[in-house]
Amino acid sequence: DAGVIQSPRHEVTEMGQEVTLRCKPISGHDYLFWYRQTMMRGLELLIYFNNNVPIDDSGMPEDRFSAKMPNASFSTLKIQPSEPRDSAVYFCASSRLAYEQYFGPGTRLTVT
Amino acid sequence: AQRVTQPEKLLSVFKGAPVELKCNYSYSGSPELFWYVQYSRQRLQLLLRHISRESIKGFTADLNKGETSFHLKKPFAQEEDSAMYYCALTRVQGGKLIFGQGTELSVKP
Repeated sequence: DAGVIQSPRHEVTEMGQEVTLRCKPISGHDYLFWYRQTMMRGLELLIYFNNNVPIDDSGMPEDRFSAKMPNASFSTLKIQPSEPRDSAVYFCASSRLAYEQYFGPGTRLTVT
Repeated sequence: AQRVTQPEKLLSVFKGAPVELKCNYSYSGSPELFWYVQYSRQRLQLLLRHISRESIKGFTADLNKGETSFHLKKPFAQEEDSAMYYCALTRVQGGKLIFGQGTELSVKP
């Protein structure tokens, strides 16, 4: 298994543009998590899904952020419109049991 | 409130020295505690969990419920231990992980 796959690995965009981050979890895992990592705030959970259903989105910073999981093998995190303060590394993780999470390589987002 | 606190942002030691990365938590109930590690340019990965009572790469962690701590220890640090270490907790039945801010361990030759 290739593990959790994220794309793109790097994204540079201008303020105001829409950004879509993609994640393919490990097959058979029924939990999917989106995290944001910054120097200031560390690792923050944004949202997580169980069996494709959003369970907790309390970490989503504001309405500009949205996440979907249309099926068990794909999830997206969208930022519209993007702002410079959204610059961070975004991680996707999946698990069969909620605590033993397998992380993807991350997407480094830079908003100028 | 559920919270994980790692008081040190950076810990620097010399090779062969003992290392202890501190983790304190607040949680109403019985949590499960974990340590995750992120080596340079690699993915975050599970290092160990308290229920396993195992030693991974020479690291151990003991859950102290009285002090609500779960410090990570290694008697003799190696250069390859240099990484970011995150302490995390979840409720026993599972659910989301709550991570601490992370501690960067730097082991100097």
